[in-house]
Amino acid sequence: DIQMTQSPSSLSASVGDRVTITCRASQTIGISVNWYQQRPGKAPKLLIYAASSLQSRVPSRFSGSGSGTDFTLTISSLQLEDFATYHCQQSYTTPYTFGQGTKLEIK
Amino acid sequence: QVTLRESGPALVKPTQTLTLTCSFSGFSLSTSGMGVTWIRQPPGKALEWLARIDWDDDKYYSTSLRTRLTISKDTSKNQVVLTLTNTDPVDTATYFCARIWLAGSLEIDHWGQGTLVTVSS
Repeated sequence: DIQMTQSPSSLSASVGDRVTITCRASQTIGISVNWYQQRPGKAPKLLIYAASSLQSRVPSRFSGSGSGTDFTLTISSLQLEDFATYHCQQSYTTPYTFGQGTKLEIK
Repeated sequence: QVTLRESGPALVKPTQTLTLTCSFSGFSLSTSGMGVTWIRQPPGKALEWLARIDWDDDKYYSTSLRTRLTISKDTSKNQVVLTLTNTDPVDTATYFCARIWLAGSLEIDHWGQGTLVTVSS
């Protein structure tokens, strides 16, 4: 199985900050990475697919980049509603695998 | 509008078989490029992918759980069923079903709200 190593596991930041979350795959996977946001008690929500494509109706402050084994999710200017947990996922091959998640907290 | 909803028992005894149903609307699993997948999340832990079934009835499973999982579909009812045999307390989790867009980048674009299943005697 492909392992997805996500870091950091938690992050404290302030409104207006720029934050970056990274995900590293255990083998090359092209651009087959998706990013999800999950608020407490809710289902994950798709933010970014194919490493850098913004899902419909997702604010443009979210962006993704990377290819091969290293991927990043960037939030350019944090808003209050962005404090949540973020997950990366590889869709290169089944079994699909997720990172361990990054909990973004208010500083 | 695409919606998915999971249903099943909230409590299961160890060694029993867990059967979960995903009822969906807004798309058809008889349409080329459509798939439904199951993911679970133990309390406070990471997401774990479980299984996928495609419009053409191809099926894929988690490596560690493949001997215990079965996924099936009833296209006429717009339902997908997941069974997990020989349950254990470590199977306690919120179980999500979701649509996966096979004709795109295999992104999971619509999720159900999830159903919490507790495995306990």
